[in-house]
Amino acid sequence: KQEVTQIPAALSVPEGENLVLNCSFTDSAIYNLQWFRQDPGKGLTSLLLIQSSQREQTSGRLNASLDKSSGRSTLYIAASQPGDSATYLCAVRGGGATNKLIFGTGTLLAVQP
Amino acid sequence: ETGVTQTPRHLVMGMTNKKSLKCEQHLGHNAMYWYKQSAKKPLELMFVYNFKEQTENNSVPSRFSPECPNSSHLFLHLHTLQPEDSALYLCASSQVGGDQPQHFGDGTRLSIL
Repeated sequence: KQEVTQIPAALSVPEGENLVLNCSFTDSAIYNLQWFRQDPGKGLTSLLLIQSSQREQTSGRLNASLDKSSGRSTLYIAASQPGDSATYLCAVRGGGATNKLIFGTGTLLAVQP
Repeated sequence: ETGVTQTPRHLVMGMTNKKSLKCEQHLGHNAMYWYKQSAKKPLELMFVYNFKEQTENNSVPSRFSPECPNSSHLFLHLHTLQPEDSALYLCASSQVGGDQPQHFGDGTRLSIL
């Protein structure tokens, strides 16, 4: 059974710092991995999606990497801003016909001005 | 309107009430999902519909009854709920196939008295 873990559970950094969020999964037979952002009281916003054949994806100040064999992904945020404060979730999609996502519990990020 | 819209945003109901949650997507997607988000737990997939057909029921109690009349609309009918059903219920949509990201609504915050 696939399990997804995110470390740390919470993180507080001063504005301007570069930071890394971690996601690990137990079954390496994944189809893709997706990073989301969730603001309080809101739904999820998709940030980056990495296919199993890819090593990384970049969007603006965000860079996500995937090491499928070791069951790990990282989300790198450069030059953090207070507006980056949110919960960050990773989710993996298993192989086969299913489009079911398995989520981690998230990392709550606070960027202090 | 664009994206995924959920109504109502908040719902308070007694255990003997019957209510329905509504989700509508304006993205031209053909897959829709219900997720449950409880405090300190990962998002849990409840149901998946592909081309209006239910393809996944993640062992959800029968007091939750989904309905998908067309590819743009998804309902979750609720009856005789329990206090532990209090949570944020999120709807998502995507293209069938899973290599495209899922797009989420802002959710319905459900409280059972």
